[in-house]
Amino acid sequence: GESVGLHLPTLSVQEGDNSIINCAYSNSASDYFIWYKQESGKGPQFIIDIRSNMDKRQGQRVTVLLNKTVKHLSLQIAATQPGDSAVYFCAEKLGDTGNQFYFGTGTSLTVIP
Amino acid sequence: DTGVSQNPRHKITKRGQNVTFRCDPISEHNRLYWYRQTLGQGPEFLTYFQNEAQLEKSRLLSDRFSAERPKGSFSTLEIQRTEQGDSAMYLCASSLVFAEQYFGPGTRLTVT
Repeated sequence: GESVGLHLPTLSVQEGDNSIINCAYSNSASDYFIWYKQESGKGPQFIIDIRSNMDKRQGQRVTVLLNKTVKHLSLQIAATQPGDSAVYFCAEKLGDTGNQFYFGTGTSLTVIP
Repeated sequence: DTGVSQNPRHKITKRGQNVTFRCDPISEHNRLYWYRQTLGQGPEFLTYFQNEAQLEKSRLLSDRFSAERPKGSFSTLEIQRTEQGDSAMYLCASSLVFAEQYFGPGTRLTVT
């Protein structure tokens, strides 16, 4: 099946530092990507998205970078806060598969106060 | 609360029994999705509705699984003859456009 993977399963950062979460995808036909945050006992929460015709998109304290050459996606969180502790997933949508999104296995981010 | 709601939140059933879960999407959202999530994994797409029409199903979806959205509002997911491998979190999401899906809290199914 499609492969959406994350380089690091866990990440610990000090409060106030910037966090970078990486994601590799395997299908060059993917045209849309989303980052989700999932806290324990809750469903995933949309953070930011990016289309394949872009290489960078910024939100509030978050930036997503897309490198189509190496099929790599990253999520940067500025000034990480304890409330950012969660599991982060990237999801991709293949251009020819309608509305099916494929999720990676997730990175667990722990913010150390 | 105007978010996506799911009921029940937890379900324990014996192998071989049938179970049904309900999802109430955000009221103006015409798109509804079902996913399955196991521990340590990302959600796995099961099926998608636009209004009452089921437009997509995962090819991995067993024929023991069926979903409906009869009036284009709430949806139900039924699993017949449950197996231990069906134990997972079942997530529902809704959206107005194809992106930015809003997820519910999920129904955790345990098959004993």
